[in-house]
Amino acid sequence: DVKVTQSSRYLVKRTGEKVFLECVQDMDHENMFWYRQDPGLGLRLIYFSYDVKMKEKGDIPEGYSVSREKKERFSLILESASTNQTSMYLCASSFSGRGISYEQYFGPGTRLTVT
Amino acid sequence: AQTVTQSQPEMSVQEAETVTLSCTYDTSESDYYLFWYKQPPSRQMILVIRQEAYKQQNATENRFSVNFQKAAKSFSLKISDSQLGDAAMYFCALDSNYQLIWGAGTKLIIKP
Repeated sequence: DVKVTQSSRYLVKRTGEKVFLECVQDMDHENMFWYRQDPGLGLRLIYFSYDVKMKEKGDIPEGYSVSREKKERFSLILESASTNQTSMYLCASSFSGRGISYEQYFGPGTRLTVT
Repeated sequence: AQTVTQSQPEMSVQEAETVTLSCTYDTSESDYYLFWYKQPPSRQMILVIRQEAYKQQNATENRFSVNFQKAAKSFSLKISDSQLGDAAMYFCALDSNYQLIWGAGTKLIIKP
């Protein structure tokens, strides 16, 4: 079974704190993704990575950065958390294939509250 | 810009009945993939069904099937013999250059 795990299910942080969200997958997937999920907006892509040390901005990268030092691990960093970053954060991973769109496998999500 | 629209924020269906969830999309690509994902309450998002645009045949997975109308850019999901375990948020998604564009979701309620 594919497993994508996220470091925390629930997290409460104060405004201005640096926040690390970590994601680990065990299927040797090339691609990894960080999404933000808000009611009525669906999922919005923050960043994705198609290889170790490689990253691409998604639709809403402002206020976030990422790190992928190992193939199985993809971290999302909020350099200075703000209240408008209160949200559900989902990590996903998938195989990479030219001309083929593979299924994305999701972690359980981290519900982040910034106060 | 590529977009995905789910016009039904919430749907309800009686157990054992059939329900159809709507999705329309816009893309200038001729070859692409479409997906339906399911997110049960407090559980992980999982793939329900996938459709390749170049295939005219509608995809089917057990009780789940799609009605793919390429010219109309429509991709609806039909759930037959609805079960209590089908209660979830359902998201339609369009693959765009290996990134997914997501609809806002439809909450499906199953009435026992």
